Amino acid sequence: DGGITQSPKYLFRKEGQNVTLSCEQNLNHDAMYWYRQDPGQGLRLIYYSQIVNDFQKGDIAEGYSVSREKKESFPLTVTSAQKNPTAFYLCASTSFLGGSYEQYFGPGTRLTVT
Amino acid sequence: DQQVKQNSPSLSVQEGRISILNCDYTNSMFDYFLWYKKYPAEGPTFLISISSIKDKNEDGRFTVFLNKSAKHLSLHIVPSQPGDSAVYFCAASVAGANSKLTFGKGITLSVRP
Repeated sequence: DGGITQSPKYLFRKEGQNVTLSCEQNLNHDAMYWYRQDPGQGLRLIYYSQIVNDFQKGDIAEGYSVSREKKESFPLTVTSAQKNPTAFYLCASTSFLGGSYEQYFGPGTRLTVT
Repeated sequence: DQQVKQNSPSLSVQEGRISILNCDYTNSMFDYFLWYKKYPAEGPTFLISISSIKDKNEDGRFTVFLNKSAKHLSLHIVPSQPGDSAVYFCAASVAGANSKLTFGKGITLSVRP
């Protein structure tokens, strides 16, 4: 089955610790994205990557870092510099073939930092 | 500056009736629009999209209308079913812009049995 997996589903961390969220896709998609969702807010773009070893900041990149060493994987690190890390994090991917802008989303990771 | 606006945070309709979810945008460069449905603690799932060269796209119970002059689009669900109860996000993209999507804040739809 093709799709996007995010792990873990729920993650708890103490304040001051860095934490890495996993995102893997087997859809052979070119581009991958990280969003966060807060209550009453839409999806806000953190980082995105169109190709291996390249990525760009989204609208709210401060306090986050990413890597894209493999086409299938796009992990997100939430650093201690992120002031409000508790949120629901969503990973997405898309293919550039066919001119479609449809992004496919993973199931999300709920991060709670106390 | 919010470029995609879903001004009504919630909507409640009776089962079997029509649900109309509205979305406005400010960026005239947007030329592709999508609707996503999201259940709590899950990722959004794609529902339907429309290109700016069209003013209507239909898929089963779901129809999206685009009014470019008004920078407005709407999602119609007919007939509404209880399983349609979810948060609906409107999203927009600019052709060639790395497939980046700009999302609205979402509308919570409740369909009453």
